[in-house]
Amino acid sequence: GENVEQHPSTLSVQEGDSAVIKCTYSDSASNYFPWYKQELGKRPQLIIDIRSNVGEKKDQRIAVTLNKTAKHFSLHITETQPEDSAVYFCAAKRRVGNEKLTFGTGTRLTIIP
Amino acid sequence: GAVVSQHPSRVICKSGTSVKIECRSLDFQATTMFWYRQFPKQSLMLMATSNEGSKATYEQGVEKDKFLINHASLTLSTLTVTSAHPEDSSFYICSARDRGGGGNQPQHFGDGTRLSIL
Repeated sequence: GENVEQHPSTLSVQEGDSAVIKCTYSDSASNYFPWYKQELGKRPQLIIDIRSNVGEKKDQRIAVTLNKTAKHFSLHITETQPEDSAVYFCAAKRRVGNEKLTFGTGTRLTIIP
Repeated sequence: GAVVSQHPSRVICKSGTSVKIECRSLDFQATTMFWYRQFPKQSLMLMATSNEGSKATYEQGVEKDKFLINHASLTLSTLTVTSAHPEDSSFYICSARDRGGGGNQPQHFGDGTRLSIL
């Protein structure tokens, strides 16, 4: 089955600086990679996703890059703000049918004002 | 946007009680819903995949007789924790994917249910 590793487990950055979270996956058949943000006690919310036919996707301050050859993908948050503080999870899934998402272990991001 | 409603949000009950959690897709149809369990400061662990009109698919190590799943319609799946014990205390979250648009529609999560067994 799929195995997703995520690093770092915790990350603190100064407000305004950039944050980068990295994930690797093992199943070469995976082709859908979403990122979720979870605030304490709340639901995970999809913030961005990427499919394997593209290498990069951007949405305002958030971007995701994908390297299929190396089987890794990264989340980039620029100009960080205090409200970016949360736990971020990467995930991977095959396209076929209703294959399940496999989540990474999460990164606790703290933005220091 | 797609909304998934999960109830109840919080349950506190005595050991031995059975607890039912509902997961509804409010503005889309979902042939597949997923049930996760999340321990404090840990990732989401998939418990089972709920398929409308058929039996759920359980992950390895998850007792199907302990965690009963019913997915009777395209908008509702239920998880019943039978004869709950303190070790079943956890945060349970469901998610659903829109049946339209092919296999890569994103999963949308409910607000979760915090279950505390005394």
